[in-house]
Amino acid sequence: QKEVEQDPGPLSVPEGAIVSLNCTYSNSAFQYFMWYRQYSRKGPELLMYTYSSGNKEDGRFTAQVDKSSKYISLFIRDSQPSDSATYLCAMSLGGGSNYKLTFGKGTLLTVNP
Amino acid sequence: DTAVSQTPKYLVTQMGNDKSIKCEQNLGHDTMYWYKQDSKKFLKIMFSYNNKELIINETVPNRFSPKSPDKAHLNLHINSLELGDSAVYFCASSNGGKLFFGSGTQLSVL
Repeated sequence: QKEVEQDPGPLSVPEGAIVSLNCTYSNSAFQYFMWYRQYSRKGPELLMYTYSSGNKEDGRFTAQVDKSSKYISLFIRDSQPSDSATYLCAMSLGGGSNYKLTFGKGTLLTVNP
Repeated sequence: DTAVSQTPKYLVTQMGNDKSIKCEQNLGHDTMYWYKQDSKKFLKIMFSYNNKELIINETVPNRFSPKSPDKAHLNLHINSLELGDSAVYFCASSNGGKLFFGSGTQLSVL
């Protein structure tokens, strides 16, 4: 079983839709959870950074962590064509820089105008 | 005024050659990384340096050698390139575990 599983998609939605992106993981020791967005031919950029279980909201984006189920989600409200990108979940055992991130394989999202 | 910049952006070379990729960050971070992203977009850590000291070294062939002359620079030298080395290589720096990536170097080994 891979440490982090993420449905690669592709996922195609109409503009304005609510998008749900998900990852599951096997290592219950993961404490920090992140979502990165990667546009084509660009480096990943950090979207959301959360610690432990619960929700975190930032504009149209909500990150949700359920440690009991080992499941994290990213919700995008009122999706826009500019949200079209690959979304990567990532997690680590600790919050310091000496902890490596384990990434999911990414979900390719297309938002159609 | 790019935060993490790496050069070159594209690198096309023959099998058996030696090549280097350079990375510089102006964010003042102490930790820098090299990640490899394969054709299926899977992003995997290769190395991590904290203030010029190697702290993470994943199972990477000896042909890959990172060098950090100072905490703002982390270069990657690859000897005897193989077809399987073709990938996008990303440099990153971090502040408390939040990574900031460069735009990547697409390496194609022919």
